[in-house]
Amino acid sequence: DQQVKQNSPSLSVQEGRISILNCDYTNSMFDYFLWYKKYPAEGPTFLISISSIKDKNEDGRFTVFLNKSAKHLSLHIVPSQPGDSAVYFCAASVQTGANNLFFGTGTRLTVIP
Amino acid sequence: GAGVSQSPRYKVAKRGQDVALRCDPISGHVSLFWYQQALGQGPEFLTYFQNEAQLDKSGLPSDRFFAERPEGSVSTLKIQRTQQEDSAVYLCASSVRGEVPSTDTQYFGPGTRLTVL
Repeated sequence: DQQVKQNSPSLSVQEGRISILNCDYTNSMFDYFLWYKKYPAEGPTFLISISSIKDKNEDGRFTVFLNKSAKHLSLHIVPSQPGDSAVYFCAASVQTGANNLFFGTGTRLTVIP
Repeated sequence: GAGVSQSPRYKVAKRGQDVALRCDPISGHVSLFWYQQALGQGPEFLTYFQNEAQLDKSGLPSDRFFAERPEGSVSTLKIQRTQQEDSAVYLCASSVRGEVPSTDTQYFGPGTRLTVL
């Protein structure tokens, strides 16, 4: 049973515009959320995270929003750049657990120059 | 400052063969994780070590899967009598600390792509 879901397998955005990637989760015990970026033939690379005590975290062009009541988070990239083209994975964990991550199935972002 | 490394990068095995996949975590990292990523899916947790202790192996799909980290650094994931459904990318990740609660970043290796024929 998939506890973290990314319902959009792909997204195409024009360079300079905003990219919005969405993620939903079902387990209310999750209290820490992350986004990873993955290029082909490489492992996932950490991008940004957010604790459940916050509803927004920003790092440069990347902002993650968390809506706990809706069990939904999103990643905003603005402005989008061609180098952002990759697969983005949403992940969640329980901080008081072993910290193993539960991943979504990923969204492939293509930024068109 | 090398990252997490894994070897081999690619492994082709005949059904029934045993395989061993190696992970070299970032030096000094206490925690080490193994994940399995099937085609078109996200990584799924297999097992977790804190130093040499295997604290969670709830994600191992069968008793054919075995992992060890005898000296608290390098880890090996062994799969006995491989089956076609074992074909996947096996990812290793490490993080700095081991205590909970923790928001330590997990750093991933490039993975080993296993194909079982």
